[in-house]
Amino acid sequence: AQKVTQAQTEISVVEKEDVTLDCVYETRDTTYYLFWYKQPPSGELVFLIRRNSFDEQNEISGRYSWNFQKSTSSFNFTITASQVVDSAVYFCALSEASDNFNKFYFGSGTKLNVKP
Amino acid sequence: NAGVTQTPKFQVLKTGQSMTLQCAQDMNHNSMYWYRQDPGMGLRLIYYSASEGTTDKGEVPNGYNVSRLNKREFSLRLESAAPSQTSVYFCASSQTGFNEKLFFGSGTQLSVL
Repeated sequence: AQKVTQAQTEISVVEKEDVTLDCVYETRDTTYYLFWYKQPPSGELVFLIRRNSFDEQNEISGRYSWNFQKSTSSFNFTITASQVVDSAVYFCALSEASDNFNKFYFGSGTKLNVKP
Repeated sequence: NAGVTQTPKFQVLKTGQSMTLQCAQDMNHNSMYWYRQDPGMGLRLIYYSASEGTTDKGEVPNGYNVSRLNKREFSLRLESAAPSQTSVYFCASSQTGFNEKLFFGSGTQLSVL
């Protein structure tokens, strides 16, 4: 079974629209970390955020915000007032304390197209 | 800041040929990883090295071998390439610990004909 599910394969929006990328995860661990990575057209994966399982506070960084809800096992990512430069593939990932090393479970990614 | 450097960026092989993908990191990280990225499947772990001198299989190790040459370098070898190994390969590194983020190289696009 998929540990991390990103049900939205591709999303297209017009510049300045808000967009939310969904991430649902599955784990039996009580201690774990969730991550978001961005992969722009250049191909390299860029770290965006890390959140531990004990911190359910939402986080905002500029136009980016993340909503972590343990009750629904979700860690959704919202881009406010999207820009063309936000066009990329976004990956959600899970890392569990029960693993003896830093083993990431990645979702299949959501491709975001922001049109001018 | 070099970070994680992997070579080559592109490679075309014929079925049955062999090749080695090179990866080096300059962040003094203990752990290094090789992932492959295929459309609709995200990133899947091929092999990892939790520390210098150790390597372990990940989710999709068949057809690959790895060498942790030293703390900086972690190579991935395809002994007899197959079309199913056409993919984008990423090397990554991290500090030890499940809470540590991964730092990725720029990727290698490999086509096996």
